[in-house]
Amino acid sequence: DSGVTQTPKHLITATGQRVTLRCSPRSGDLSVYWYQQSLDQGLQFLIQYYNGEERAKGNILERFSAQQFPDLHSELNLSSLELGDSALYFCASSVVGGGSYNEQFFGPGTRLTVL
Amino acid sequence: GNSVTQMEGPVTLSEEAFLTINCTYTATGYPSLFWYVQYPGEGLQLLLKATKADDKGSNKGFEATYRKETTSFHLEKGSVQVSDSAVYFCALSEYQLIWGAGTKLIIKP
Repeated sequence: DSGVTQTPKHLITATGQRVTLRCSPRSGDLSVYWYQQSLDQGLQFLIQYYNGEERAKGNILERFSAQQFPDLHSELNLSSLELGDSALYFCASSVVGGGSYNEQFFGPGTRLTVL
Repeated sequence: GNSVTQMEGPVTLSEEAFLTINCTYTATGYPSLFWYVQYPGEGLQLLLKATKADDKGSNKGFEATYRKETTSFHLEKGSVQVSDSAVYFCALSEYQLIWGAGTKLIIKP
């Protein structure tokens, strides 16, 4: 158990809908990262927050947004969902915002299925 | 920019075989290097890490040595088991974590 929690574990929805994925980092970690993992792709970095502020942006679509709250939990919002958004979404956390010692701890993931 | 290149999979081996998964990197400075493992249906777990040149990371019988002269961090295990079947990701961190594409390992009994 990494100490990172994600809810829900599974989510099934229809095209055009909007969903929210939730992540609670390990106690003491200030950074939260969101990743997308599709069947035919590796790990795609979406976005990072550090202590409530956006720190880095990866391949995140404009239909997707995220935020980190004062209690450090984070939410990833996916809107106008398309079939191609079906994937595993992972959250990770780390103590630091970056640097050489940026060891990340991953949650179990949310499996999103868009029908 | 920084990058990580892993050998393409899947890699299929018989139980008790020797494993090597190649990983090379490009970096401008002195990154830390990591191997993460993802077992079927699970999230990623840190397998081992090395923070400076010539460091050897090890865990669960896996080893990798940080070779600055060849910019490599190859993952090795002397005798694999069926339970080692997973996807293995090499990564480096100089400022942000940069990920390799992952290598799927299949161990047959």
